[in-house]
Amino acid sequence: DAGVTQSPTHLIKTRGQQVTLRCSPISGHKSVSWYQQVLGQGPQFIFQYYEKEERGRGNFPDRFSARQFPNYSSELNVNALLLGDSALYLCASSLEGPRGYGYTFGSGTRLTVV
Amino acid sequence: QQQVKQSPQSLIVQKGGISIINCAYENTAFDYFPWYQQFPGKGPALLIAIRPDVSEKKEGRFTISFNKSAKQFSLHIMDSQPGDSATYFCAASKDFGNEKLTFGTGTRLTIIP
Repeated sequence: DAGVTQSPTHLIKTRGQQVTLRCSPISGHKSVSWYQQVLGQGPQFIFQYYEKEERGRGNFPDRFSARQFPNYSSELNVNALLLGDSALYLCASSLEGPRGYGYTFGSGTRLTVV
Repeated sequence: QQQVKQSPQSLIVQKGGISIINCAYENTAFDYFPWYQQFPGKGPALLIAIRPDVSEKKEGRFTISFNKSAKQFSLHIMDSQPGDSATYFCAASKDFGNEKLTFGTGTRLTIIP
């Protein structure tokens, strides 16, 4: 079984540019979340989508946006990149249920803003 | 506001010893407490998780102890091995893990021979 797949694995962008990161969840998982992990810190929640609807948004500026497609894959967009946006961006998917099943993370996209 | 506090920041344990990592939370609405293991260049991998209706959960060499009244939980790694060297994160969530995860700051564990 394929796990959560993210693309690209690495990316270098210049300040002010825009970037799109992609995520394919585990087959059957309808919930997708995005996290930002700065070096040496724990992941910080950015967005959660369930059945193509935004369920939650973390404390990130409006430069960050996301969407989920009918096949449950997802994209994270970041506009007007800043140096501080350099981080590992993680996608996680979950098989939701009344007792929860936890999240499976992908290996992430390493974004470097120069 | 950091809702999940994790300690220690780093830990060195001899092979065969017990590794213990502690976390404390503030939000009493949390009802799902997982531990993740992360190797360099990889995403976090779920190790073990607990819900507040039990005080302890064991899976192989990994045990979570949970103290609801103190709002604390800990990860114990028995018979620690060099392959356990990684960064460990505690986390907390509501709705039995269906909502977002709030992570601790991480513990870098090193197992020495």
